[in-house]
Amino acid sequence: DAKTTQPPSMDCAEGRAANLPCNHSTISGNEYVYWYRQIHSQGPQYIIHGLKNNETNEMASLIITEDRKSSTLILPHATLRDTAVYYCIVRVTTDSWGKLQFGAGTQVVVTP
Amino acid sequence: KAGVTQTPRYLIKTRGQQVTLSCSPISGHRSVSWYQQTPGQGLQFLFEYFSETQRNKGNFPGRFSGRQFSNSRSEMNVSTLELGDSALYLCASSSTLAGGETQYFGPGTRLLVL
Repeated sequence: DAKTTQPPSMDCAEGRAANLPCNHSTISGNEYVYWYRQIHSQGPQYIIHGLKNNETNEMASLIITEDRKSSTLILPHATLRDTAVYYCIVRVTTDSWGKLQFGAGTQVVVTP
Repeated sequence: KAGVTQTPRYLIKTRGQQVTLSCSPISGHRSVSWYQQTPGQGLQFLFEYFSETQRNKGNFPGRFSGRQFSNSRSEMNVSTLELGDSALYLCASSSTLAGGETQYFGPGTRLLVL
């Protein structure tokens, strides 16, 4: 699976949009981009995933560039409860989850 | 649907003992994966089961083992515990292994080895 690069940390003001970048320049055509977040000492929470097209759900939006080498997770109105480590991972459409690499993620701190 | 459940949530053991952790996947999910998370190493993959068969295994010593039952519930066992085994152990489930599928995590079991 391709590796991802994320900034180690970012701050966001409560109520504002949080834009989290992720670089996956070696992504191949059959790899999905997944985003998870982990609030301290809890299990990672699934946020969203996509292959080529932009995606939106009740939690966030995922914008994938046309060349698929990078993506942005958008939290439209950040709240204090969005403070967490956010992981961007890519996954080949094979028959296993086993080789996912979560990396260090981005520590997002939402401030009042 | 109920989420992934893990028992126990917290556990304290001493070196040399063994431990068994349990995971109940989301109803209908047939794939279960286990991960170890430590502050120094982050989230590391342990093993993965699908329909009672181990499909993939991470780079951990043979002291770490697991199994999956016919109802998709899974257990992992760590024998001869070492201090370095102290970690958050996470279980995740998905309905299939296919691309585009989503894997959901449980709350984890926090193991402390003294």
